[in-house]
Amino acid sequence: GQQLNQSPQSMFIQEGEDVSMNCTSSSIFNTWLWYKQDPGEGPVLLIALYKAGELTSNGRLTAQFGITRKDSFLNISASIPSDVGIYFCAGQLINTGNQFYFGTGTSLTVIP
Amino acid sequence: GAVVSQHPSRVICKSGTSVKIECRSLDFQATTMFWYRQFPKKSLMLMATSNEGSKATYEQGVEKDKFLINHASLTLSTLTVTSAHPEDSSFYICSATRGGGSYGYTFGSGTRLTVV
Repeated sequence: GQQLNQSPQSMFIQEGEDVSMNCTSSSIFNTWLWYKQDPGEGPVLLIALYKAGELTSNGRLTAQFGITRKDSFLNISASIPSDVGIYFCAGQLINTGNQFYFGTGTSLTVIP
Repeated sequence: GAVVSQHPSRVICKSGTSVKIECRSLDFQATTMFWYRQFPKKSLMLMATSNEGSKATYEQGVEKDKFLINHASLTLSTLTVTSAHPEDSSFYICSATRGGGSYGYTFGSGTRLTVV
């Protein structure tokens, strides 16, 4: 499968701080998705990006589809305790079936 | 919104037995379903793509005779882990889509399989 490198691997931040994480690949993607996963649960979609350069917000979350189509980032502003979890990027390759491949994940811990 | 139900949520089975996991799209017809496997503190690894009425497409390194996938209807896909062994213990998650990027992909809540 495809390798999507996500960084940082883990983050420990104070409540109220902003968070930034990114996902990079050597392949070109036509869609990027960002998910959050709580322990023992399936991932929940946060933001979907469909065009290179697209910048999309969902409340305190903002994500961008990189111009090169090989990367994406996710920002969380003014973090709160319930932001704790593992965040995954997922990319859909151009000219393939509808498969999505997942990044390595970023574990976020918010300290009250 | 789109809801995907996965059952069972947890299963413990004896080594050598087979286990079936169901993935249902409750309020939409899923043209494509995907099966993922996730090890503790690791990412989701795509195992196979399941299209209704056709054979599943397996990712490289995934044994199709070990992990049988059936997508008999537009609302149901099943994953059967045959002759399970302890190394098959994992978190299995399905996702479903109506097709086309604009519909997005909805995940089930996952199945924790423990083989003893």
